[in-house]
Amino acid sequence: DTGVSQNPRHKITKRGQNVTFRCDPISEHNRLYWYRQTLGQGPEFLTYFQNEAQLEKSRLLSDRFSAERPKGSFSTLEIQRTEQGDSAMYLCASSLSEGGTNEKLFFGSGTQLSVL
Amino acid sequence: GQSLEQPSEVTAVEGAIVQINCTYQTSGFYGLSWYQQHDGGAPTFLSYNGLDGLEETGRFSSFLSRSDSYGYLLLQELQMKDSASYFCAINQAGTALIFGKGTTLSVSS
Repeated sequence: DTGVSQNPRHKITKRGQNVTFRCDPISEHNRLYWYRQTLGQGPEFLTYFQNEAQLEKSRLLSDRFSAERPKGSFSTLEIQRTEQGDSAMYLCASSLSEGGTNEKLFFGSGTQLSVL
Repeated sequence: GQSLEQPSEVTAVEGAIVQINCTYQTSGFYGLSWYQQHDGGAPTFLSYNGLDGLEETGRFSSFLSRSDSYGYLLLQELQMKDSASYFCAINQAGTALIFGKGTTLSVSS
């Protein structure tokens, strides 16, 4: 168990640029989640996958955000035409869902995005 | 929609006991989870309550009352390393975990 890995740890970009983050979940986990967190707030749900299927996307999520999990393993989150309001910590989490209600999420250390 | 309320800050001294309350509103409720996050770190799972009552894990306990839409996290024998943010989160039917805004716990000597 190597844990959830996210790259890069930090990303500084100029407004209007596109950015892409990568998440490698715990290998046997079938679910993968993306959350966003700003200072003093809790993680805000963005989207999640079960295997390669994207099952839910937050209604608050702009069309500039897209996520993929092409082979049910790693995932990428892309933000197009970044805005200063996109500055946040982007957290990835994975879990092994076996149909029960006690779902335990394992989080990565996150990617800190700063949009200048 | 869903909502969770928890205090924004709690302070305590080493060795003390502290309780962090969480009230929630949602439909399709399965249970309440608690996560801990140290500054600069990732959230880590602490406990889950699917049924009413108290769940104990070492110095930490968590309680749920479904009828009151209320839960709490109880931390005993506080240590400096317990200084962190604590989040309650709703486990719901067919959707992802929804987190509260968090409670910052400061433990002093």
